[in-house]
Amino acid sequence: DAEITQSPRHKITETGRQVTLACHQTWNHNNMFWYRQDLGHGLRLIHYSYGVQDTNKGEVSDGYSVSRSNTEDLPLTLESAASSQTSVYFCASSAGGLSGELFFGEGSRLTVL
Amino acid sequence: QQQVKQSPQSLIVQKGGISIINCAYENTAFDYFPWYQQFPGKGPALLIAIRPDVSEKKEGRFTISFNKSAKQFSLHIMDSQPGDSATYFCAANTNAGKSTFGDGTTLTVKP
Repeated sequence: DAEITQSPRHKITETGRQVTLACHQTWNHNNMFWYRQDLGHGLRLIHYSYGVQDTNKGEVSDGYSVSRSNTEDLPLTLESAASSQTSVYFCASSAGGLSGELFFGEGSRLTVL
Repeated sequence: QQQVKQSPQSLIVQKGGISIINCAYENTAFDYFPWYQQFPGKGPALLIAIRPDVSEKKEGRFTISFNKSAKQFSLHIMDSQPGDSATYFCAANTNAGKSTFGDGTTLTVKP
């Protein structure tokens, strides 16, 4: 079965360190997204990609970067982790076109001390 | 500027009752309105969705009502069950496939 997997599921890091969260999908979807989920804020879009070599900033992109070198992967990098980036991060993918359904991973819980 | 406003933030319903969650949007370019269900420790999963050319869509106990002129849509859960206890998110998509989410509603169904 096709799926979307995130790793690590849990990570604790220190302020100032670089962190990369991995996202891998086997749906063969063109569209991939990164969201962060915080209590009271729902899901906020960080970065997204519509295909290989395409990346775009979302509403809360400061301090984050992504790269898309193949269809399956969209890693999210925190260049210099800050305590404000403590959150649960979700990767999602969609087929695009008329189908707007997002398929989510199980999330990565990041704690920045 | 919050583009999708969701209410209530939390909801407690007795088993067998009706749960109603409301959302309002501003951007008339939105053309797809999904609802996602999320259980603790899991990612959200699509529950039901509607496009603005219809006013209602029903799937089992779940119904979306859509009012295009008022820019509002709502989720109705009939005969609510304890297994429906979860967080529900409304969302709105542009034709570019980006989803903007509401802040979520935590539903608790008491047995």
